[in-house]
Amino acid sequence: NAGVMQNPRHLVRRRGQEARLRCSPMKGHSHVYWYRQLPEEGLKFMVYLQKENIIDESGMPKERFSAEFPKEGPSILRIQQVVRGDSAAYFCASSPKTASSGNTIYFGEGSWLTVV
Amino acid sequence: QKEVEQNSGPLSVPEGAIASLNCTYSDRGSQSFFWYRQYSGKSPELIMFIYSNGDKEDGRFTAQLNKASQYVSLLIRDSQPSDSATYLCAGSTLTFGKGTMLLVSP
Repeated sequence: NAGVMQNPRHLVRRRGQEARLRCSPMKGHSHVYWYRQLPEEGLKFMVYLQKENIIDESGMPKERFSAEFPKEGPSILRIQQVVRGDSAAYFCASSPKTASSGNTIYFGEGSWLTVV
Repeated sequence: QKEVEQNSGPLSVPEGAIASLNCTYSDRGSQSFFWYRQYSGKSPELIMFIYSNGDKEDGRFTAQLNKASQYVSLLIRDSQPSDSATYLCAGSTLTFGKGTMLLVSP
């Protein structure tokens, strides 16, 4: 039973380019969460999605960042016009039901974005 | 503001000792709490979850929850060098603490 799959694992982008990070949840999981972890800092919640719906995007920066979870295919976190401060590890997690009900979320291996 | 607070550490213990990691939270609406372990450069992995007041034991790990005091802790008995990692506390509101680094010396 495959876990949460993220790709790419490592991504290097020049300032101003776009970064696309993909996440396929665990089989049977329909809830996806994206977190960002800056060096030496904790996990910061960004966005919570179900299929075709954004449930909570309170942690998403207002500009340049967007997320989707289409009916078919993986969830995508998109960062437009990247800046050096976007360099971080981006973790995706999934759960079978909403985490607010106490359901455990399971993390993928992460995508490390480096902006040069 | 829903906050989860942890001492960043590092917490240093000798091999074989009990390590005690603590977490406080501000959101009384959180019903469940989770402890994750994260090795450097790796993703968080779930250790335990707890949703009832009291203790929950799993092998060398014991989670303790006190909802009245808004306090949750993780005890690691017989600490091993392989337990050296950052331990993250999270509530059911998807908020994580910054983590406590644990160092177990041989």
